[in-house]
Amino acid sequence: NAGVTQTPKFRVLKTGQSMTLLCAQDMNHEYMYWYRQDPGMGLRLIHYSVGEGTTAKGEVPDGYNVSRLKKQNFLLGLESAAPSQTSVYFCASSSGDTGANVLTFGAGSRLTVL
Amino acid sequence: LAKTTQPISMDSYEGQEVNITCSHNNIATNDYITWYQQFPSQGPRFIIQGYKTKVTNEVASLFIPADRKSSTLSLPRVSLSDTAVYYCLVTPKAAGNKLTFGGGTRVLVKP
Repeated sequence: NAGVTQTPKFRVLKTGQSMTLLCAQDMNHEYMYWYRQDPGMGLRLIHYSVGEGTTAKGEVPDGYNVSRLKKQNFLLGLESAAPSQTSVYFCASSSGDTGANVLTFGAGSRLTVL
Repeated sequence: LAKTTQPISMDSYEGQEVNITCSHNNIATNDYITWYQQFPSQGPRFIIQGYKTKVTNEVASLFIPADRKSSTLSLPRVSLSDTAVYYCLVTPKAAGNKLTFGGGTRVLVKP
């Protein structure tokens, strides 16, 4: 199993450009999450999804949109990128079946906005 | 969700035991305590999870007192490769909740 795969791994954008980060999981997990991590800081929740076709706001949702059209994919979009969105973005998923909400993370996508 | 408080950083030496205590005073009855480890430039990975008393696996032990208002992650005989950030989360049994991370504890293992 590949687990959680994020694409792209690196991206450089100019202010005002748009882009989409893709998160794909092959574990049939119901729940998916997008976090951002700034240098030397902890992870902050952007948006999450509790199932196909559903999304919800996290701690820092402004400037981002998400979609969960398929159970295995969770897309994070930046409509008009700003330098403040320079960060490493992590996607995670969980099944919720065993224990409580154990998250499996992707390797991260490093985004730089100039 | 219950807020957690843990030390910002800890230094240790190879071969020593490292104990990181996390406070979660407002933990609810159905909440679990989950710990993650994050190496530089990698996503966090699950270490251990517990509900009460003691849990042990091949990586760490987790001690939870009866009142469950705190928990202690114990890393036995650390090596340089255990240098990482460790996050404590209170996670509800009901899946799909807003799972938020605190700042974590940065552990530096010295030779």
